[in-house]
Amino acid sequence: QSVLTQPPSASGTPGQRVTISCSGSSYNIGSRPVNWYQQLPGTAPKLVIYTNNRRPSGVPDRFSGSKSGTSASLAITGLQSEDEADYYCAAWDDLVSGVLFGGGTKLTVL
Amino acid sequence: QVQVVQSGAEVKKPGDSVKLSCKASGYTFTSYAIHWVRQAPGQTLEWMGWIHPGNGDPRYSQHFLDRVTFTEDTSANTVYMEMNRLTSEDTAVYYCARNPPGSLDLVDWGQGTLVTVSS
Repeated sequence: QSVLTQPPSASGTPGQRVTISCSGSSYNIGSRPVNWYQQLPGTAPKLVIYTNNRRPSGVPDRFSGSKSGTSASLAITGLQSEDEADYYCAAWDDLVSGVLFGGGTKLTVL
Repeated sequence: QVQVVQSGAEVKKPGDSVKLSCKASGYTFTSYAIHWVRQAPGQTLEWMGWIHPGNGDPRYSQHFLDRVTFTEDTSANTVYMEMNRLTSEDTAVYYCARNPPGSLDLVDWGQGTLVTVSS
């Protein structure tokens, strides 16, 4: 069981705004930057948010990240069908001295 | 253009070992660490550790500390991951990914290698 807790699923209709949460502890999210990865079906993960709220080049500005205390969130505005994917949060954990991934959230575009 | 290319699928029996490769190109190989991450069928991602080519001193997740070894061949811009004493629970897609210095951002990923462990 992952120490970073995400809802297993989320959904929205095209054009809507959806958010995905990631809950951790003072050993990880509370003291370390959070990254978010998008994994389209059958493909490798792709970094969409790094250092809590920064977007890599090429990632649409519809994607944004935030962090408060021991929780982080990924928001997607103007939802598109191509956003349908699994999303994972990740952070370094000082207790285990390793990178932790969240359990993943399957985003469905209705 | 950065490319990270992994070796092909493997089928192993319980108790076997497997060695996977990850070849990178399009950047200075020794400037970026390479991480290994695996994903069992239908499961989340699991971090295994990293190696920084040219610097030695690989770092392993506690979960894999006694079964996994990362090595490198800087002349071939390639890193390797060897896992021993395979069980069916090691059936997964294994990814390598590079990250820039000073961060743990996995910015470029290989296509993944499926390892199937079955008797």
